[in-house]
Amino acid sequence: KNEVEQSPQNLTAQEGEFITINCSYSVGISALHWLQQHPGGGIVSLFMLSSGKKKHGRLIATINIQEKHSSLHITASHPRDSAVYICAASFPSGAGSYQLTFGKGTKLSVIP
Amino acid sequence: NAGVTQTPKFQVLKTGQSMTLQCAQDMNHNSMYWYRQDPGMGLRLIYYSASEGTTDKGEVPNGYNVSRLNKREFSLRLESAAPSQTSVYFCASRVGGSNYGYTFGSGTRLTVV
Repeated sequence: KNEVEQSPQNLTAQEGEFITINCSYSVGISALHWLQQHPGGGIVSLFMLSSGKKKHGRLIATINIQEKHSSLHITASHPRDSAVYICAASFPSGAGSYQLTFGKGTKLSVIP
Repeated sequence: NAGVTQTPKFQVLKTGQSMTLQCAQDMNHNSMYWYRQDPGMGLRLIYYSASEGTTDKGEVPNGYNVSRLNKREFSLRLESAAPSQTSVYFCASRVGGSNYGYTFGSGTRLTVV
């Protein structure tokens, strides 16, 4: 069964801190997605990666295929980064299509 | 650039009532998906459509039906709503293939009383 585990479940940080959210998955995947869900509920795709590292502004995502592990880092955190961060693994589901299995999310609160 | 548009945003139903959640995308994406999000659980796939004219069951399809009306539109129907279907529903789309990201709608918060 495809499983995705995230840690921690909840995270409180002071503004300016470096933040790491971890994600591990159980079997081989085609890609790993990081998503952001703000308190208003909308979901935004942050990164999709299948190897190595990607950076966008203060956000960095890394993946280690051998260890089946990915991390999302936020540098110089800010209260506007407060959101739920969701890891999702893309698995082939046959006939050229793919499905996502989602972690339960990490709720991040950044305090001024 | 509307992206993925879901309607309605909120809905309250009585047990046994039916309704259709609408989803439309304007990005010419091939694949479309319906998910539900419940407290303490990750998003779960209800149904998906890999391309126009095809639909397949996901992890939690019971109590739902879908229609891929055309390439743009993918609707989710609850024929006889139950309290267990109280949830937030998200539609998503993607170009197709493993190397492309997903675009999500803003969600529909459904309460069945």
